[in-house]
Amino acid sequence: KQEVTQIPAALSVPEGENLVLNCSFTDSAIYNLQWFRQDPGKGLTSLLLIQSSQREQTSGRLNASLDKSSGRSTLYIAASQPGDSATYLCAVEAAGNKLTFGGGTRVLVKP
Amino acid sequence: DAGITQSPRHKVTETGTPVTLRCHQTENHRYMYWYRQDPGHGLRLIHYSYGVKDTDKGEVSDGYSVSRSKTEDFLLTLESATSSQTSVYFCAISERTGGYSNQPQHFGDGTRLSIL
Repeated sequence: KQEVTQIPAALSVPEGENLVLNCSFTDSAIYNLQWFRQDPGKGLTSLLLIQSSQREQTSGRLNASLDKSSGRSTLYIAASQPGDSATYLCAVEAAGNKLTFGGGTRVLVKP
Repeated sequence: DAGITQSPRHKVTETGTPVTLRCHQTENHRYMYWYRQDPGHGLRLIHYSYGVKDTDKGEVSDGYSVSRSKTEDFLLTLESATSSQTSVYFCAISERTGGYSNQPQHFGDGTRLSIL
């Protein structure tokens, strides 16, 4: 059974510092890995999708890497801003078009 | 934003009553999903659909049923609600292009369900 872990569960950084969020998964037989952002009381917003054949994806200040063999992904957010405060979730898609989610990392960026 | 509407947004009901949650999409996506989100358990898949009248079970399907009679609507039913089904329920949609899982899932804003 696929298990997805995100450590740390919470993170607090001063504004301007780079954020590094980690995600690990136990079964490397995945189709893709997805990163989401969730604001309090809201649904999930898709940030990046990395196909299993890819090593990284970039969108603006966000960069996500994928090392399928070691079961790890890292989300980098450059020059963090208070508006980046949210919970970040990673999820892996395996057979059957199903996503398995990690528990999330709650991020606070202090002005 | 993806056109996904969940209704109702909030509901309080009593144990033993039937409850139906609705997810409506305007994107014409083939895949639709129902998740529940609980503290300590994260997001877990309840049921999903890969086309009209085509559905399958997820990780936590016991006590839930679904129906999809039209592309745009996916209904989640709790036949006899229990307090353990108190949760936030999210609907999501996705599509595939070229047969590959290369499109992200898009989520609705959720339904907060309390069962007393």
